[in-house]
Amino acid sequence: ELKVEQNPLFLSMQEGKNYTIYCNYSTTSDRLYWYRQDPGKSLESLFVLLSNGAVKQEGRLMASLDTKARLSTLHITAAVHDLSATYFCAVGLKGKLIFGQGTTLQVKP
Amino acid sequence: DAGITQSPRHKVTETGTPVTLRCHQTENHRYMYWYRQDPGHGLRLIHYSYGVKDTDKGEVSDGYSVSRSKTEDFLLTLESATSSQTSVYFCAISGGAPMNTEAFFGQGTRLTVV
Repeated sequence: ELKVEQNPLFLSMQEGKNYTIYCNYSTTSDRLYWYRQDPGKSLESLFVLLSNGAVKQEGRLMASLDTKARLSTLHITAAVHDLSATYFCAVGLKGKLIFGQGTTLQVKP
Repeated sequence: DAGITQSPRHKVTETGTPVTLRCHQTENHRYMYWYRQDPGHGLRLIHYSYGVKDTDKGEVSDGYSVSRSKTEDFLLTLESATSSQTSVYFCAISGGAPMNTEAFFGQGTRLTVV
């Protein structure tokens, strides 16, 4: 059974600092997603990672995938307040798409 | 934005009544999903579909049924609503092909069972 775990579940950080969110999953998968969700809103796609060693970057966010370790990371560089949101990873396998619990990020000025 | 519409956006219903939520897409994507989102649980998969009349259970399927008679529509039915089914429900779509792997979400339906 495919299970996805994120940590930490809550992260409070100062502007300008770096941090990493981790996403572990239990079985082989064929794709991994990162999403952002603002309060009361839907999910916004950030990254899709398809192969081992894949790395994608957009602004201050960088996602990577290690399929052998069944681990993906979302690295935040020099955080700004606008990045405050909940971040989800989701793992896909043969059509199923299973989400982690989400990481709520709070960036303080 | 991906063409995906959920209806209704908000609904209040009484315990024991049947409720149907609709997800409509204009992208001709193969896969469609229903999730529920509750505080502390993230998004949990209820059911998904991999084609017309092809559906499968997710993590929390008890009390829910689905139907997909056309590519563009995926219906979620609560046969007899209970207070534990109060939640925000999201529909998602995905092409599923090797070059079309993005998964897009609808705006959500807030369901309250009283």
